[in-house]
Amino acid sequence: DAEITQSPRHKITETGRQVTLACHQTWNHNNMFWYRQDLGHGLRLIHYSYGVQDTNKGEVSDGYSVSRSNTEDLPLTLESAASSQTSVYFCASSEATNTEAFFGQGTRLTVV
Amino acid sequence: GESVGLHLPTLSVQEGDNSIINCAYSNSASDYFIWYKQESGKGPQFIIDIRSNMDKRQGQRVTVLLNKTVKHLSLQIAATQPGDSAVYFCAEKLGGNKLTFGTGTQLKVEL
Repeated sequence: DAEITQSPRHKITETGRQVTLACHQTWNHNNMFWYRQDLGHGLRLIHYSYGVQDTNKGEVSDGYSVSRSNTEDLPLTLESAASSQTSVYFCASSEATNTEAFFGQGTRLTVV
Repeated sequence: GESVGLHLPTLSVQEGDNSIINCAYSNSASDYFIWYKQESGKGPQFIIDIRSNMDKRQGQRVTVLLNKTVKHLSLQIAATQPGDSAVYFCAEKLGGNKLTFGTGTQLKVEL
């Protein structure tokens, strides 16, 4: 079955380190998204991509970057991890306009 | 700025009763809306969606109502079951393909 997977599921890192969270989908969806989820804020969009070589900033993009070298993957990089980036991160993908987005299981990142 | 919000942070219902979760959205130009369910430790799961040219859509035990006049969205769950206990999010789409989410409502089903 097609799916979307995130790795790792849990990570602890130190302030200042570079961290990359992986997202892989097998639906061949063009649209991919990264969200962070914090108490009181719901899901907030970090970056998104509408296809290979396309990347766009979301509402909370500072300190994060993404790259889209193929359809299946959208890795999220924290250039220099900060404690404020401790959160649960969700990747999602969707097929087209006005279709639902499918979410991964999430990555819990703790920056100490 | 534009936002999607929920009226009630926590809703408690008895098993077998109907549940209604409400959502207010602020952007009248939003053209697509989705309800997601999120269980503890899991990613959001699609429940039902509705386009702005509709005012009602039904699924299995769920109904979404859209009132564009007052910019209000609701999710109705019939015969609520313990497995329905979760956080429910509404989301709206305004242009492009990205969704804006509300902060969520916790639904608790009491036996």
